[in-house]
Amino acid sequence: DTGVSQDPRHKITKRGQNVTFRCDPISEHNRLYWYRQTLGQGPEFLTYFQNEAQLEKSRLLSDRFSAERPKGSFSTLEIQRTEQGDSAMYLCASSFRDQPQHFGDGTRLSIL
Amino acid sequence: AQSVTQPDIHITVSEGASLELRCNYSYGATPYLFWYVQSPGQGLQLLLKYFSGDTLVQGIKGFEAEFKRSQSSFNLRKPSVHWSDAAEYFCAVAYTGGFKTIFGAGTRLFVKA
Repeated sequence: DTGVSQDPRHKITKRGQNVTFRCDPISEHNRLYWYRQTLGQGPEFLTYFQNEAQLEKSRLLSDRFSAERPKGSFSTLEIQRTEQGDSAMYLCASSFRDQPQHFGDGTRLSIL
Repeated sequence: AQSVTQPDIHITVSEGASLELRCNYSYGATPYLFWYVQSPGQGLQLLLKYFSGDTLVQGIKGFEAEFKRSQSSFNLRKPSVHWSDAAEYFCAVAYTGGFKTIFGAGTRLFVKA
């Protein structure tokens, strides 16, 4: 069990640029989740995959955000035309069915 | 709407003293309940969970939590705090089926010598 891996750990970009984050879940986990966490807050649910199917999207996930999990393994989260308000920690988690979620260490996004 | 309230933004406890972190939830049915801990710059680590059965659950690092349905509470306790327990603690609730988890705003624990 190597844990949930996220890449990169930190991303600094200029406003208006596109960014993509990657998440590698624990290998036997069929569910994968993305959360956003801002300073002083708990994680907020963004989206959820069961295998390759994206089954739920939060209203927080605007049209500029897209997530994929093409083969039911790793996932990517892309933010297009980044804005200042996108600055946050983006956390990925995985689980087997409805067992507790295991979290990665997150990708911290800073928008200049 | 489902929600989780952690009324204490931060708590300071002396090393060796007991600890109780409060959590209240709003949910229509019996929820799945969790406590996670987060150190600065890190992801969340699961301390313990409640799905059903015994309402007093034991977790890692000497933590325990008690589910009280009548009070809609799931408070976290530890009899003797260690300096390494200083971190942010999050209570969370999940729908039955468990895919969407709602987190509280967190309680930051400071431990003084």
